[in-house]
Amino acid sequence: NAGVTQTPKFRILKIGQSMTLQCTQDMNHNYMYWYRQDPGMGLKLIYYSVGAGITDKGEVPNGYNVSRSTTEDFPLRLELAAPSQTSVYFCASSSPSGANVLTFGAGSRLTVL
Amino acid sequence: AQSVSQHNHHVILSEAASLELGCNYSYGGTVNLFWYVQYPGQHLQLLLKYFSGDPLVKGIKGFEAEFIKSKFSFNLRKPSVQWSDTAEYFCAARSNDYKLSFGAGTTVTVRA
Repeated sequence: NAGVTQTPKFRILKIGQSMTLQCTQDMNHNYMYWYRQDPGMGLKLIYYSVGAGITDKGEVPNGYNVSRSTTEDFPLRLELAAPSQTSVYFCASSSPSGANVLTFGAGSRLTVL
Repeated sequence: AQSVSQHNHHVILSEAASLELGCNYSYGGTVNLFWYVQYPGQHLQLLLKYFSGDPLVKGIKGFEAEFIKSKFSFNLRKPSVQWSDTAEYFCAARSNDYKLSFGAGTTVTVRA
């Protein structure tokens, strides 16, 4: 049972480049989330999804897009990378029966230069 | 969505000292409360949670937290810390939606 798997673990981007952070979970969780973690700021919710085909914005969605075509996968897309998007990104999932206790992935460290 | 504030940014203490980390949340209705821990180089793990019932909840590794509704607080405590408790600790709260709001985190450094 792998839990929540994120790829890549590290990535360096140039300003204006695009990329997708992949997230997949094998726990059949309905809910999935993307957070970014910045020093001294805690975790901020970027986007979340309550099920396949349903996504919604969190606190800091600008510059990002998501899709949820399957229960397992919840990729995060950065279209035009900016230095302000340098951060550590965490994907998480939960189930209603688990009372929304989140299981987190290992994180993806992104640097935009 | 909830607003969560943690009082301390960085706490430094010696082994065997007692630890208390403050957490306050903003919502006055039904709320679920959590403490997550992030050890160096690792991802976030659940330390303990409160949904209802006994306001004193016990978690893993000897941690406990007390929910005080009148103070909108959910402080984390451990009577005697170990070097291995060095980590970043996050308080989180969820109200009537699916979103979990996190505090800014408290870095705890335990000196051997």
